[in-house]
Amino acid sequence: AQSVTQPDIHITVSEGASLELRCNYSYGATPYLFWYVQSPGQGLQLLLKYFSGDTLVQGIKGFEAEFKRSQSSFNLRKPSVHWSDAAEYFCAVLNQAGTALIFGKGTTLSVSS
Amino acid sequence: GAGVSQSPSNKVTEKGKDVELRCDPISGHTALYWYRQSLGQGLEFLIYFQGNSAPDKSGLPSDRFSAERTGGSVSTLTIQRTQQEDSAVYLCASSLQGDNSPLHFGNGTRLTVT
Repeated sequence: AQSVTQPDIHITVSEGASLELRCNYSYGATPYLFWYVQSPGQGLQLLLKYFSGDTLVQGIKGFEAEFKRSQSSFNLRKPSVHWSDAAEYFCAVLNQAGTALIFGKGTTLSVSS
Repeated sequence: GAGVSQSPSNKVTEKGKDVELRCDPISGHTALYWYRQSLGQGLEFLIYFQGNSAPDKSGLPSDRFSAERTGGSVSTLTIQRTQQEDSAVYLCASSLQGDNSPLHFGNGTRLTVT
């Protein structure tokens, strides 16, 4: 069965520092991968997605993610974090039937000044 | 345009009572999903609708949970004989046509069972 692992439950980064959030997936074929962000009191918002093609995908708010098949990873990165990036981040993979996204348990990002 | 709307935003109920949670998807979106978000557990898939039919209801945790969708639009998630472990945020999402279309989430209904 498909699954998503986000190894880091909580990460703290200084404002202006770079960020990398890890995501590993388990899937037999080429996966459809997503990153969502949930800010306090707000709904989940799509940051970016990967379906095929270029393995480095750009998203909103200055985020990018790189698909690495050999490592079964889809890590999210941002070169310079802003205080407003503090939120919970979820990685997800589309299940094989194409009927649902399977989410990881999320990584909470705190930004220190 | 309007996003996914869920009501109520908060619901407190006594153990053993039935509850209904409502979701109004984005107009024109044929796919609708229900998820449950518990503290520290991420998002747990419950059910997927394509139009009015539910080709995947594999995530419903027990027969106390049911959902329906009418007119290819509004959906209702019903939990019968609620238990304390049902306390969670219930999220609804819609997408244009399912498959790999991006999901648009509502703000959820926070259910507390006392």
